[in-house]
Amino acid sequence: GAVVSQHPSWVICKSGTSVKIECRSLDFQATTMFWYRQFPKQSLMLMATSNEGSKATYEQGVEKDKFLINHASLTLSTLTVTSAHPEDSSFYICSARELAGGLYEQYFGPGTRLTVT
Amino acid sequence: QKEVEQNSGPLSVPEGAIASLNCTYSDRGSQSFFWYRQYSGKSPELIMSIYSNGDKEDGRFTAQLNKASQYVSLLIRDSQPSDSATYLCAVNPPGNNRKLIWGLGTSLAVNP
Repeated sequence: GAVVSQHPSWVICKSGTSVKIECRSLDFQATTMFWYRQFPKQSLMLMATSNEGSKATYEQGVEKDKFLINHASLTLSTLTVTSAHPEDSSFYICSARELAGGLYEQYFGPGTRLTVT
Repeated sequence: QKEVEQNSGPLSVPEGAIASLNCTYSDRGSQSFFWYRQYSGKSPELIMSIYSNGDKEDGRFTAQLNKASQYVSLLIRDSQPSDSATYLCAVNPPGNNRKLIWGLGTSLAVNP
């Protein structure tokens, strides 16, 4: 299967600072990537769809000014959590879509665990 | 009605048994279906995809799709304790919006 990486795997930051998370498709080009958030013992929550060369599409209730997404190339999307607060502490996971046999399959990165103190 | 439904479990099976996980979906025009495995604290891992009615086998895993009844299932043969995880069903609905619709997952516990 396709390989997706994320960096960093974990980060601790102080309240009010910004954190950038990178998502890379290593062996394929991804015109579309997705950003999810998952709180402990809860289900995946899609935050936004990241499209190469255009603006991201955010899910209802997700603040676009707080969660900045940039998809500048076919292999890289970044998520910046601006002015982070403790309630933003969560597991952030990206995924990338690969075309396989005429249909798309979605592969996940290993996730980034964010702790805001 | 939720778009993709799964029993939350936990589903508990003894080691060596067959684990059967089920998923139903509401949009009859859905085109592709996926099973992901998620271990606690880790990200989801794609284990099976299926697009056509019938069975698809990969090692100990078999995915079954019945579009008429709008369900997709995952069978795990010879279950191992390492199979203990949450299994997520995801469905690709029709149309140009390729956002997967996710079930909430079924927790599987394989007891040694």
